[in-house]
Amino acid sequence: GEDVEQSLFLSVREGDSSVINCTYTDSSSTYLYWYKQEPGAGLQLLTYIFSNMDMKQDQRLTVLLNKKDKHLSLRIADTQTGDSAIYFCAERPRGGATNKLIFGTGTLLAVQP
Amino acid sequence: DGGITQSPKYLFRKEGQNVTLSCEQNLNHDAMYWYRQDPGQGLRLIYYSQIVNDFQKGDIAEGYSVSREKKESFPLTVTSAQKNPTAFYLCASSTQGQGNTEAFFGQGTRLTVV
Repeated sequence: GEDVEQSLFLSVREGDSSVINCTYTDSSSTYLYWYKQEPGAGLQLLTYIFSNMDMKQDQRLTVLLNKKDKHLSLRIADTQTGDSAIYFCAERPRGGATNKLIFGTGTLLAVQP
Repeated sequence: DGGITQSPKYLFRKEGQNVTLSCEQNLNHDAMYWYRQDPGQGLRLIYYSQIVNDFQKGDIAEGYSVSREKKESFPLTVTSAQKNPTAFYLCASSTQGQGNTEAFFGQGTRLTVV
């Protein structure tokens, strides 16, 4: 199947680290993505990782990929109130005729001041 | 500026009416997509198009129709056959190929049936 699963909600205090988890089922996926959605808006790409990498760091963001367990995580260091949003992971399966992405259900991150 | 534009931002429709949502991109992307977003269900793919004059059904195409007469435009029509059309609709576009093909999203259209 092509289901991508995420927990629905995460609450953290400002200044703490946030870790958002994602489990995907298509082991052939070549690229995995993290998107952020603020209220009433579209999705913005935060970062992505290629399947031959284990980790990618970009300023406050760290992506970890465990291909054996098909597990992807996004760590946000020093979480700020402006980080409050819904975070979606997405996978791009290898093969097939399209480049369409399969999205997870989204995790609502609430940052408490 | 390059980007993807959806209009209108809010749309109200009476039951039994068809309505068309606009999506335009100037990113020169070959592929375009329509997603529907409902609370707690993430994004579900309605239709996608990889090239002009061609499109395929996604996971929830029933009650929707699309056209792709120009590379830049991919309008979505929500027909009266769609049983529960109230939702947030997102349009996206991407390049084609084997490399990174991240999707770029519009700001969405919120459709409400009254």
